[in-house]
Amino acid sequence: AQSVAQPEDQVNVAEGNPLTVKCTYSVSGNPYLFWYVQYPNRGLQFLLKYITGDNLVKGSYGFEAEFNKSQTSFHLKKPSALVSDSALYFCAVRDMVSGGYNKLIFGAGTRLAVHP
Amino acid sequence: DTGVSQDPRHKITKRGQNVTFRCDPISEHNRLYWYRQTLGQGPEFLTYFQNEAQLEKSRLLSDRFSAERPKGSFSTLEIQRTEQGDSAMYLCASSGSGRAIYEQYFGPGTRLTVT
Repeated sequence: AQSVAQPEDQVNVAEGNPLTVKCTYSVSGNPYLFWYVQYPNRGLQFLLKYITGDNLVKGSYGFEAEFNKSQTSFHLKKPSALVSDSALYFCAVRDMVSGGYNKLIFGAGTRLAVHP
Repeated sequence: DTGVSQDPRHKITKRGQNVTFRCDPISEHNRLYWYRQTLGQGPEFLTYFQNEAQLEKSRLLSDRFSAERPKGSFSTLEIQRTEQGDSAMYLCASSGSGRAIYEQYFGPGTRLTVT
């Protein structure tokens, strides 16, 4: 079955330190991978995607993610965290079984808390 | 604001009542998705439209749920005979064509509370 796992419910990091939010996936074929962020009372905002090409993908707000096929992972990273990065982060994978309609399968989310 | 909009933002209803939500996608987007998100979970796919055609429905979408996109622009999601288990955030997303189909833009959601 296709799935996305975010093993950490919460990640705590001090402002200015690097952050990593973990994601692993299970799909058939080559994965299309995404990261979204959700702020309180707001919809999900697209951060970045991996479809093909360079394993290191750069996205919005200084975030990047590294695709690792052998470890089936797509971890989100940022070199220096900001307090304003505190939010709920979702990893998602394109459903490769459905009729090519690009529906997404989401992980359960990881709450990132950046402390001053 | 040219993003995805949803109305209402909040809805409280009594069990057994019918509710209808509206989604207005980004104007040039021909693909529209509905998802449902419960507390502590990621969004789960409900249904997909390409223009006015509803091309896929999740097994989560029981026969009490119906969605339409009559002119390929806005979409409505109706829940009949609401149950407490329907309480959730209902999210709408849209995407464009070509490589842009891979980027879904989400609205703020409609939070439904069934009492």
